[in-house]
Amino acid sequence: RKEVEQDPGPFNVPEGATVAFNCTYSNSASQSFFWYRQDCRKEPKLLMSVYSSGNEDGRFTAQLNRASQYISLLIRDSKLSDSATYLCAFQGYSSASKIIFGSGTRLSIRP
Amino acid sequence: DADVTQTPRNRITKTGKRIMLECSQTKGHDRMYWYRQDPGLGLRLIYYSFDVKDINKGEISDGYSVSRQAQAKFSLSLESAIPNQTALYFCATSDPPGHLQETQYFGPGTRLLVL
Repeated sequence: RKEVEQDPGPFNVPEGATVAFNCTYSNSASQSFFWYRQDCRKEPKLLMSVYSSGNEDGRFTAQLNRASQYISLLIRDSKLSDSATYLCAFQGYSSASKIIFGSGTRLSIRP
Repeated sequence: DADVTQTPRNRITKTGKRIMLECSQTKGHDRMYWYRQDPGLGLRLIYYSFDVKDINKGEISDGYSVSRQAQAKFSLSLESAIPNQTALYFCATSDPPGHLQETQYFGPGTRLLVL
């Protein structure tokens, strides 16, 4: 089993729609979780960290399900500018743990 | 000015040539990383360094070497480039560990084509 798995998409949704995608991880010792956004031909940038209790940042909501070992990202009222690739990432408990990235889910918002 | 810079931004080279990619950061971070990104494979870690005297192999270090010349500089070398090293290369830095979650800050990337 891969350390982290994401549906590559593309997800193609109309503007204003709600869209969600998941990312599963295999290492139960993982402690820190993240969503990064990567625009075409650009570098990844942190979108949001994912906390145990779930967290929200405007139209974006991140959730963690430790029992089933996945994180999710929900985007409400999607905008054209949300079109990008979304990479999940996780890190183990040790301070020496590296951050492992998923291969990304491509999202395309259409007018 | 960008906090993490990479040079060159684009490079075309021939099989067998030696090439160096450079990364500089002004964030004052100790940790630096080199990744490559290929379509469908996501970001794969090549090498990482937690401080100037610390160098570690990542998951795909074969064919690559690195040098941490200073806290702010981390270079990646391809001693003898081969076509399957054609990829987008990213340098990244990260916050020191602690109770806060560790964020990675990426440079703009270097597009490398090996003919």
